[in-house]
Amino acid sequence: DGGITQSPKYLFRKEGQNVTLSCEQNLNHDAMYWYRQDPGQGLRLIYYSQIVNDFQKGDIAEGYSVSREKKESFPLTVTSAQKNPTAFYLCATPTGSGELFFGEGSRLTVL
Amino acid sequence: KQEVTQIPAALSVPEGENLVLNCSFTDSAIYNLQWFRQDPGKGLTSLLLIQSSQREQTSGRLNASLDKSSGRSTLYIAASQPGDSATYLCAVDRDDKIIFGKGTRLHILP
Repeated sequence: DGGITQSPKYLFRKEGQNVTLSCEQNLNHDAMYWYRQDPGQGLRLIYYSQIVNDFQKGDIAEGYSVSREKKESFPLTVTSAQKNPTAFYLCATPTGSGELFFGEGSRLTVL
Repeated sequence: KQEVTQIPAALSVPEGENLVLNCSFTDSAIYNLQWFRQDPGKGLTSLLLIQSSQREQTSGRLNASLDKSSGRSTLYIAASQPGDSATYLCAVDRDDKIIFGKGTRLHILP
């Protein structure tokens, strides 16, 4: 089945730690996005990548980093510089017509 | 700057009723508008995508309309069921920038 997979589903981080969230897709899509969702808020764009080996900052990139070494993978690292990392993180990829498909999300909690 | 608003933030209706969810946006120069459903603790599921040249899209009991000139879209749900309870979000796409509303939390009362 084609789809987009995020892991882990739940993640806990101690103060000062970096953590990496995985996003993998087998849809052969060029573009991939990372969003952050907080309670009662709309989704906010962290980083996006339109093609392999290229990515751009979104609206809230500070404290985050990404890589796009393979078409199917777009991991997100939440660094210790992110002061308020507790949130629900969503990865998405659009079809050629612009329809967005999302993974199941990863919930990060800072202890 | 594009802003997307969804009112009301929450809505409760008895099972079987038809209902309308609203989405408004400030800049009419959009490529498309998409409606999503989100269950608690889950990712977003695409419901309907309306391209800028289209006026409406239908899927089963769902019908979405788009009026770019007034900056509005509606999602019509016919014969609501308890399984329709979820948060519904709309998003507009312009210049590779997708802006989301905060969603309407829908509760269908059995």
